[in-house]
Amino acid sequence: EAQVTQNPRYLITVTGKKLTVTCSQNMNHEYMSWYRQDPGLGLRQIYYSMNVEVTDKGDVPEGYKVSRKEKRNFPLILESPSPNQTSLYFCASSFKLGGKLFFGSGTQLSVL
Amino acid sequence: SQQGEEDPQALSIQEGENATMNCSYKTSINNLQWYRQNSGRGLVHLILIRSNEREKHSGRLRVTLDTSKKSSSLLITASRAADTASYFCATDEWQGGKLIFGQGTELSVKP
Repeated sequence: EAQVTQNPRYLITVTGKKLTVTCSQNMNHEYMSWYRQDPGLGLRQIYYSMNVEVTDKGDVPEGYKVSRKEKRNFPLILESPSPNQTSLYFCASSFKLGGKLFFGSGTQLSVL
Repeated sequence: SQQGEEDPQALSIQEGENATMNCSYKTSINNLQWYRQNSGRGLVHLILIRSNEREKHSGRLRVTLDTSKKSSSLLITASRAADTASYFCATDEWQGGKLIFGQGTELSVKP
């Protein structure tokens, strides 16, 4: 089944404790992206990747890192999480830039 | 700034009625997409309409695009309680890879 797998679904952590949210797609998509969704602010792009080893900043990249060592995986890393990073996070992929996006199920992150 | 802006922000209707949601955007686009999100879940792609298309249908969904007014509408006919969700438009204005989402319309269909 074509899908974007995102883990974990829920995560509670404390300020400063490094964490990684994993994202994997099985559709051989070139384009992958991370979004955060906050009430009243809609979906905002954090980082995106056009292909392996090619990543770039979105609207709100501060405090986040990504890597794209393999085509299928695009992990989101929070080196030192802060409470303002409490949010609902989504990974998404598409065959090409501007194409139909497939979304993961989301990660609800709470930073205490 | 947001490229797509949905209107209304919230819509409540009875089952069987039609629901219309609108999206406006600011600059030229290649295509416009509509997505649906059930509460707290990932967005699901509904339909894509290209800039050279004026109307597109998919089941009970009808999307129109007016590039002269920079606007699109999503019509859901004969709505069902299961249509209750948030609906987002997204445009692909070239901004270094961004597919820009509006803030969504929250649709509630009462049985």
